[in-house]
Amino acid sequence: GNSVTQMEGPVTLSEEAFLTINCTYTATGYPSLFWYVQYPGEGLQLLLKATKADDKGSNKGFEATYRKETTSFHLEKGSVQVSDSAVYFCALRSRGGGADGLTFGKGTHLIIQP
Amino acid sequence: GAVVSQHPSRVICKSGTSVKIECRSLDFQATTMFWYRQFPKKSLMLMATSNEGSKATYEQGVEKDKFLINHASLTLSTLTVTSAHPEDSSFYICSVDSYNEQFFGPGTRLTVL
Repeated sequence: GNSVTQMEGPVTLSEEAFLTINCTYTATGYPSLFWYVQYPGEGLQLLLKATKADDKGSNKGFEATYRKETTSFHLEKGSVQVSDSAVYFCALRSRGGGADGLTFGKGTHLIIQP
Repeated sequence: GAVVSQHPSRVICKSGTSVKIECRSLDFQATTMFWYRQFPKKSLMLMATSNEGSKATYEQGVEKDKFLINHASLTLSTLTVTSAHPEDSSFYICSVDSYNEQFFGPGTRLTVL
């Protein structure tokens, strides 16, 4: 079956630090990969996605590259801000003929200190 | 993207009662919605796929007689937790599938006493 493993937090960084949140996956075939963010008191929001190998998703300064050879989709940001404090979820979706649900990692709580 | 609402945002009930949670797609007609469950410090787990006009598809290990799903219209899916027990206390989240992207509701916090 499908599974997603991501580093567990909390991860605490100072403002302007470099961020990496690791994510690896197990799936049959070639899934689509996603990063979702959940800000305090809000619902999940799509941060970025990649649908095939070597694709790079990017949004709001965050980036992640779909690495098929290492089955990874690590999230990076060069300079974090206090407003980036949130819980980040890595997720995958299998390619199927119909709509499929997402398989999520456990989430990484990111805390950015001023 | 699709805007999704859930009602109620939080509910507290007594053990043995049933609770209904609504998920509405406000600006998109959704033939498919998903229900997830999130335990504290755990991942979201897909419970079931809700299909408009047909029976829901449940994930392995999810009791379909306990978690009743009804998707009677293109904008509304409901999840009813029947005979709730304290172990059913959790955060329930729905999502709408729109052009192969999922848009999530804000979630419903269920506490069973």
